[in-house]
Amino acid sequence: LAKTTQPISMDSYEGQEVNITCSHNNIATNDYITWYQQFPSQGPRFIIQGYKTKVTNEVASLFIPADRKSSTLSLPRVSLSDTAVYYCLVGERDDKIIFGKGTRLHILP
Amino acid sequence: DTEVTQTPKHLVMGMTNKKSLKCEQHMGHRAMYWYKQKAKKPPELMFVYSYEKLSINESVPSRFSPECPNSSLLNLHLHALQPEDSALYLCASSQGLVGRDGYGYTFGSGTRLTVV
Repeated sequence: LAKTTQPISMDSYEGQEVNITCSHNNIATNDYITWYQQFPSQGPRFIIQGYKTKVTNEVASLFIPADRKSSTLSLPRVSLSDTAVYYCLVGERDDKIIFGKGTRLHILP
Repeated sequence: DTEVTQTPKHLVMGMTNKKSLKCEQHMGHRAMYWYKQKAKKPPELMFVYSYEKLSINESVPSRFSPECPNSSLLNLHLHALQPEDSALYLCASSQGLVGRDGYGYTFGSGTRLTVV
């Protein structure tokens, strides 16, 4: 199964840009990289997905280097409401996709 | 409709009770999933239904019994649970293979289950 490794936790301040890096050394050719955000007692919410280079949407950017063995989620100008757990996932194998431990992001005022 | 709806939102049950969790999606997604999540842990896969057929059972105890009556509905029947089964139970759906070719999960908001 495709395995991901992320920092366990990060702290930042309101208004800062936050970058969370995910390592996925055994990513397969067809795999996309997807990031989810989860607040306490809620289901994970899709943030962004990409295959290579850079993807940007209204909430985040995703940077993927040419070898695709890692990716970086960038959250511009974070606010207190961005305090959450962020999960990086790569492709499904035989209907299975396994969540890594995620990154617990804490935004300080 | 772009949501996955889970009911009930909260459930308290005794160890001898039988109860069911319900999940519904009307997005035409081909796969539906049950995940279990304990506090401060990542979601843990329990079951996967693909085209209404059970394709994955992650060695879940038989006191949890999934059912997929049709392509829009997924149930999880609970019987003789233990206090350690208390957790957030999440349902998700996907149109295609998650993480391939641009597909991703849509999760419901979960059922908070407490076994007493």
